[in-house]
Parts: sequence; structure tokens; C-alpha cells
Amino acid sequence: GENVEQHPSTLSVQEGDSAVIKCTYSDSASNYFPWYKQELGKGPQLIIDIRSNVGEKKDQRIAVTLNKTAKHFSLHITETQPEDSAVYFCAASMWHWNSGGSNYKLTFGKGTLLTVNP
Amino acid sequence: DTEVTQTPKHLVMGMTNKKSLKCEQHMGHRAMYWYKQKAKKPPELMFVYSYEKLSINESVPSRFSPECPNSSLLNLHLHALQPEDSALYLCASSPLGGSREQFFGPGTRLTVL
Repeated sequence: GENVEQHPSTLSVQEGDSAVIKCTYSDSASNYFPWYKQELGKGPQLIIDIRSNVGEKKDQRIAVTLNKTAKHFSLHITETQPEDSAVYFCAASMWHWNSGGSNYKLTFGKGTLLTVNP
Repeated sequence: DTEVTQTPKHLVMGMTNKKSLKCEQHMGHRAMYWYKQKAKKPPELMFVYSYEKLSINESVPSRFSPECPNSSLLNLHLHALQPEDSALYLCASSPLGGSREQFFGPGTRLTVL
């Protein structure tokens, strides 16, 4: 099955600095890579995603890059703010078949606790 | 309506109790998911329903019983749970077909005494 490694496990930055979180995946069949932000006591919130036919995607201060050859993808947050403090999860998704039907299945990385210090 | 709702927000139950968690979405999504999340860990997939049929069952103990009464509702019936089952239970939904985004609800914080 798919295995997703995420680094670092904790990241502390000063407000206004950039933050980068990196993930690697093992199965070349994975073709969709979302990033989730989870604040304390809340469910994960999808913040950005990228598909395997795209190398980079940007949404305001957040960007994601994908290197299919190396099987790694990264989240970049620029001009960080204290409200960016949260746990961030990367994930990889592939189509999954079994006797019960088919669906996309997400495999998550272990998460990165980002702290932005004012 | 672009959200997944879950009830209750918190639940405390004894090991002999029977309770149910509920999830609802009105985005027209045809896939719904149950995840279990322990503290400082990523969500772990438990069950997936596609078109109201159980599609993925990740070898979850039978004390957890999912039900999908219709395309908007997902239940998780709990019976004879153990203290180690205490966790945040998350529901998610996604469209089937081209788009693959999974949208999560806020979760139910379950404590088993």
C-alpha cells in the first residue's frame, strides 16, 4: 500500500517568514495530493491540492509543488501569520478497487505542527 | 451548503452503552467516510460508502457498525466499546467522478469510560 512520509514533525517560524513542509510518497499510482490544516479541536480543512499532471499550484500565500519523478511534494507558506499556526497534513490519493466497489483512498502523512511566533 | 455536520460534538459513554454518531452533508456528494483520529496522529480510515454501499472496510472491529441510510446521511453505531476507542471521529464526504476533494466535518470527541 501507499506510504507517505512528512517532515518536519514540528516547525517554528517568526511571523512574516516562510514555512516549507515536505512529503514523499511511495506508490507511483497516486495521482492526487491534498494538504489539510487542522486547528485544535476542529476537523481537517482542505487548503490546497495538486494533481499529478501539474507541477505547481498557488493560492495567495500558499503554494504546492510536485515532483513526480522523485515522488515528493511540498507546501510553501509565505508571509506567515499567527493564525497559520496549526497541524498540517499532506496526503496522497489513488483509485482503490475491491469487491465492494471503488473509491479514492487518502493516505496521510504524520503531520507537522507549525507555530508562528508574533 | 458546503459543509459536513456531525452530531454530537462530544460523547461520553460506558463500555456497555450503545450510542450512535451522525453525519450529514448536502453537497450532493456520493462518497462518505468515517475516520478515527487519536491525539497527535493523522486520521485513520475506517469505512467508505460509495453510492450508499459499503466500499471500503479497513478491518475495523465489529463493535463499530456503519450505516448509510441515504446519500446525505452517515451513521456510526457504537456498542461495547473499549477505553482505547476514545478518539476524535471524523466524517468526510467527496464527489465521485472528476473531483476528488474530501471535505471533513468538525468531528465527535468520544470518551469511553
